[in-house]
Amino acid sequence: EAGVAQSPRYKIIEKRQSVAFWCNPISGHATLYWYQQILGQGPKLLIQFQNNGVVDDSQLPKDRFSAERLKGVDSTLKIQPAKLEDSAVYLCASTATGFGNTIYFGEGSWLTVV
Amino acid sequence: EDQVTQSPEALRLQEGESSSLNCSYTVSGLRGLFWYRQDPGKGPEFLFTLYSAGEEKEKERLKATLTKKESFLHITAPKPEDSATYLCAVQPMNSGGYQKVTFGTGTKLQVIP
Repeated sequence: EAGVAQSPRYKIIEKRQSVAFWCNPISGHATLYWYQQILGQGPKLLIQFQNNGVVDDSQLPKDRFSAERLKGVDSTLKIQPAKLEDSAVYLCASTATGFGNTIYFGEGSWLTVV
Repeated sequence: EDQVTQSPEALRLQEGESSSLNCSYTVSGLRGLFWYRQDPGKGPEFLFTLYSAGEEKEKERLKATLTKKESFLHITAPKPEDSATYLCAVQPMNSGGYQKVTFGTGTKLQVIP
């Protein structure tokens, strides 16, 4: 079974530039998460999708971050304009419908804003 | 608001020196508690899910236990390859019908040969 795929793995941009990250979840997984993990901290939920609908984006900085999940499969997370404090790993995860199911993570997209 | 607190923040063990990591949580009803391992530069890797107080699960040198307020990850006779950050996460009962999960900040374990 293929895992959660993310790209790019690494990105360095200047502040005020834009960046987009892509995620392809495990086939059949209805729930998709984007987490932000700053070095030395635990993952922080940015947005959660159920199929192609948003169920939680309460911690997403909506003035600069946006995310979409077209057709309930792939997802894209965009940051525009980026700030220095956005330097982090952006983790995509997915899980099958049903409480208590395992959440599987991708390898992450490392963003450095200079 | 759901809260997850992990301790210690960092732990350094000699190879073979057993110890435990702690995860204390506050949720209004626990649906499930998860343990993950994260290696540098990688995404979290699933280890265990615990659902109810008194439950225990084992995998190689790791054993996870659960009470009504906390979970422990016991590491028996650790090896250098067990060095990683261990993350705890909780899923509450009242997640509005969706699989909301909150993570702790992790314990960074270093096992020295």
